[in-house]
Amino acid sequence: GIQVEQSPPDLILQEGANSTLRCNFSDSVNNLQWFHQNPWGQLINLFYIPSGTKQNGRLSATTVATERYSLLYISSSQTTDSGVYFCAVRYNQGGKLIFGQGTELSVKP
Amino acid sequence: DAGVIQSPRHEVTEMGQEVTLRCKPISGHNSLFWYRQTMMRGLELLIYFNNNVPIDDSGMPEDRFSAKMPNASFSTLKIQPSEPRDSAVYFCASSLNRWNEQFFGPGTRLTVL
Repeated sequence: GIQVEQSPPDLILQEGANSTLRCNFSDSVNNLQWFHQNPWGQLINLFYIPSGTKQNGRLSATTVATERYSLLYISSSQTTDSGVYFCAVRYNQGGKLIFGQGTELSVKP
Repeated sequence: DAGVIQSPRHEVTEMGQEVTLRCKPISGHNSLFWYRQTMMRGLELLIYFNNNVPIDDSGMPEDRFSAKMPNASFSTLKIQPSEPRDSAVYFCASSLNRWNEQFFGPGTRLTVL
């Protein structure tokens, strides 16, 4: 099956810093989603981005499907950005999402 | 608009007991997914339904697990009998159809003693 790898596994930032999270996948995909799991455990949708670039406030994402990776950019990080960021892909006609192991982000004041 | 609703939010039970988790998808969504999150295995799909019909149950760990979707607005995941290794957070998600963006409920944290 498809492999989804996220890097880095952990990241500590000072408030106000920028960061880039990466998601590599081993096969062609037809759906890619980025989630933020907050400290209370909720999975919050950030982007639905099988290809191209999207922006939402301080966050943006780019997926280069032909090269099998996606990037999540966080600018001017805030303490509320802390949590785990997951990339998940769907790669065939089925419905299930395959999740990466996540990047745990900690933003210090 | 209400999101995906799950109940209970927390469940503590003893080994051997039956556990039933409940999910109400977003109104109008035709696909419903059950995922499980553990430290060891991360987030993985257990089963999903399309138009109330189970499509892929390859992730259901064993016969102790069963899931039903009697109508478009309700699904259950049952574990009978429960074991300590079933302790995890169980998420329900829904989407317009199986190919669209999935939205997750708040999860049920299950602890089996």
